[in-house]
Amino acid sequence: ETGVTQTPRHLVMGMTNKKSLKCEQHLGHNAMYWYKQSAKKPLELMFVYNFKEQTENNSVPSRFSPECPNSSHLFLHLHTLQPEDSALYLCASSQVSPSGLNFGSGTRLTVV
Amino acid sequence: RKEVEQDPGPFNVPEGATVAFNCTYSNSASQSFFWYRQDCRKEPKLLMSVYSSGNEDGRFTAQLNRASQYISLLIRDSKLSDSATYLCAVNMVDSSYKLIFGSGTRLLVRP
Repeated sequence: ETGVTQTPRHLVMGMTNKKSLKCEQHLGHNAMYWYKQSAKKPLELMFVYNFKEQTENNSVPSRFSPECPNSSHLFLHLHTLQPEDSALYLCASSQVSPSGLNFGSGTRLTVV
Repeated sequence: RKEVEQDPGPFNVPEGATVAFNCTYSNSASQSFFWYRQDCRKEPKLLMSVYSSGNEDGRFTAQLNRASQYISLLIRDSKLSDSATYLCAVNMVDSSYKLIFGSGTRLLVRP
């Protein structure tokens, strides 16, 4: 167990669907992240939240909408996605200064 | 130039071999450096931080070369279980919370 739990593990959705990814961390960290990992590409940082405040939006399309209600929970709301959005979406958490990120197991998303 | 670059490999080595990976970064003011290990279809896991003076953890040694802007990972006495993709990560100096990852180097250790 990494202390970061993501659900669901797998998700198949149509381009007109709306779905949400959930992440919960049990480590007492105060920063949370969404990363995207596509085949043969490096991990791409999407969003960073520090003490519930969004501090980074890495030019992510508006069809991805993050939500951080508290320091332990992070959501990624998805709507009208494209097939090229199919990827592994990883949530991570860390302390204030990066002593390294703890990743969840990820959600493998397929857009059909 | 990419912010963080790695040779994708694969590095195919026999058990017991010593293997080294490098990772170059573009921003000379970067302060924090890490090596992660990622197994197939799993999440990345922190292997070790990289300190200015270099650091060792068992068979693994990490070093930082600020002048040439690269970090390295040395694995001695390779085991079959070391087969994985090794990712380097570098923090961006405009934010301590923004870690940029390389695309990873794949290691295959054969019997």
